[in-house]
Amino acid sequence: RKEVEQDPGPFNVPEGATVAFNCTYSNSASQSFFWYRQDCRKEPKLLMSVYSSGNEDGRFTAQLNRASQYISLLIRDSKLSDSATYLCVVIEPGGFKTIFGAGTRLFVKA
Amino acid sequence: DAGVIQSPRHEVTEMGQEVTLRCKPISGHNSLFWYRQTMMRGLELLIYFNNNVPIDDSGMPEDRFSAKMPNASFSTLKIQPSEPRDSAVYFCASSLLEGLGYTFGSGTRLTVV
Repeated sequence: RKEVEQDPGPFNVPEGATVAFNCTYSNSASQSFFWYRQDCRKEPKLLMSVYSSGNEDGRFTAQLNRASQYISLLIRDSKLSDSATYLCVVIEPGGFKTIFGAGTRLFVKA
Repeated sequence: DAGVIQSPRHEVTEMGQEVTLRCKPISGHNSLFWYRQTMMRGLELLIYFNNNVPIDDSGMPEDRFSAKMPNASFSTLKIQPSEPRDSAVYFCASSLLEGLGYTFGSGTRLTVV
């Protein structure tokens, strides 16, 4: 089993749609969780942290479910500019080793 | 804040040549990471440093790869000799504290022919 798994997609959604991605991780002792966004031929950029209590930033909501070992990202009212690859990131115990998922591709169309 | 600065942006070299990639982390960040990204394997952590000390280099694929961080503001990743399968985008990232998110540089796109 991979340490961090994501559905590669692609997810093709119309503008205004709500879309959700999940990511599972294998190490129950993992400490920190993030979502990154990567545009084509660009570097990954931090989108948001993920907390057990949930984290909301505008149209984006991230959740952590430790019992089931998954994190989720919900995007409401999708915009064309949301088209990108979304990377799930897990930080291992010790706080240094970071594992990136393979990413989920999102295409938002007009 | 200039962000994480990598050079060169693009590198095309012939098989067997030495390649050196450079990274300047964000000032004050004490953790530095080298990643490689390919379509087939995604983002792979090669090595990370904390306070200029290599903590884990288990991701370095072979002895042909080496990395140094002589001071808090500079790191290099060297491939000698280079091979076509080393072609990838190499990212450097830095972080202020363990467990926090990273800031990535723009990457070096390496092509070995």
